[in-house]
This record gives sequence, C-alpha cells and structure tokens, in this order.
Amino acid sequence: ETGVTQTPRHLVMGMTNKKSLKCEQHLGHNAMYWYKQSAKKPLELMFVYNFKEQTENNSVPSRFSPECPNSSHLFLHLHTLQPEDSALYLCASSQDQAGASYEQYFGPGTRLTVT
Amino acid sequence: AQTVTQSQPEMSVQEAETVTLSCTYDTSESNYYLFWYKQPPSRQMILVIRQEAYKQQNATENRFSVNFQKAAKSFSLKISDSQLGDTAMYFCAFMKHPPRGSNYKLTFGKGTLLTVNP
Repeated sequence: ETGVTQTPRHLVMGMTNKKSLKCEQHLGHNAMYWYKQSAKKPLELMFVYNFKEQTENNSVPSRFSPECPNSSHLFLHLHTLQPEDSALYLCASSQDQAGASYEQYFGPGTRLTVT
Repeated sequence: AQTVTQSQPEMSVQEAETVTLSCTYDTSESNYYLFWYKQPPSRQMILVIRQEAYKQQNATENRFSVNFQKAAKSFSLKISDSQLGDTAMYFCAFMKHPPRGSNYKLTFGKGTLLTVNP
C-alpha cells in the first residue's frame, strides 16, 4: 500500500483558502491521474498526466489547478472552493505503454471538507 | 461514451458463503478491458481481477472469478468462501483499448457495498 502516497490524508479548508494536495508514486510509472470520489456517484476522472504532460482535463473548474513537475509527483492546487467540492480526492498511477497490464494503482486519498 | 451500471448499491453475505456482484456496461467498442476494484473502509483501492474482452475464458484469481458475457455486456464478480476481509466497496470499471499514444482511461460504476457478516 505504499506504492502511491497522498498528503494530507484529511483537509478542512474555508472557501477563501488556498491549499495543495500532493501525490507521489514510487512505482516508476509514466502516467498519473486525479479522481474525485463523492458519495453515491461514480469516480470522476479530473486530470491525466502522461510523461509530465497534461493530456486530459475533464471539464474541471479552474479553481482546481493540477501540476506535474516530474513523473513521480502530482499536485492539485485548490483555491476559492465551494462546499460541493467536499469529497475524497484520489490519485492514481499506471504504466501506459503497449503490453502493460493497464492497472491503475491508487493512493489512499485526501478527504477534503470545504466549510 | 461508455457507461457502467452496478444495480446493487449494497449487499451482504455470511462468512464462508458465495456472493455475486452484478455489472453491466454499454459500449460500441469491440476491444476493451473490464476490471473489478475493491476499496476497503478507509483503505486504498486495489485491483481484484481483470478481463480482456477478446478472451472468451473467464478470469479467475483465487476466490474471485468473473462471468463475462460479451453479447449481453455483463461482467459479474463471484466471491467464493467469503471472508470478513472482503468487506468493502466494489467498483466495476471499463477501459476501451486506446489508440496509440492515448491514455488508458477508466470509467467506473457507482459501486456495491459488500458486507461480510460473521
């Protein structure tokens, strides 16, 4: 369970705060993902990075800003969030290449509460 | 666009018994992959089992097996000899085979909460 780590595990922030979520993968993968998990809804893919380049932005509001400085680290910068943004934010990584297993490895998530 | 439907929000089973979780999907793709992921309470999501659509043989992993019916677009998970540690949310997920250079994106169902009772 230490292949993908996320910090912090819990975060409470006001609507005017700025905070960042961090994800680190120790698996040598080349792709990283941010998902939003809300109760009674399917996991929603937010962003995809492949070799540090953002290849997918799934119509995510600009108050969420991703950053991928290298293939091992992924950040999600948060500012002026809304209460409906409260959710579990999951990071995942995979090795995206022909012949790979296509398995995504998930981190434990950051439980975000916006007050 | 692909959709994944899990019609059972919650299920329960007695320890040592067998339980089957349902999943259906909708796609026009002919080449794709299907997955079952498990998310235990307050723990990380992990892959349980994987099925390639071009393989007719159902995948098995120890006590976990699938019933893949491609024509019916059905992908159910059977858990035999249920254990207390199997208590978790189970997510069915779909991935179409990507074009060269594209990403491997998962589409998830809403999940089924399975409780194994002693």
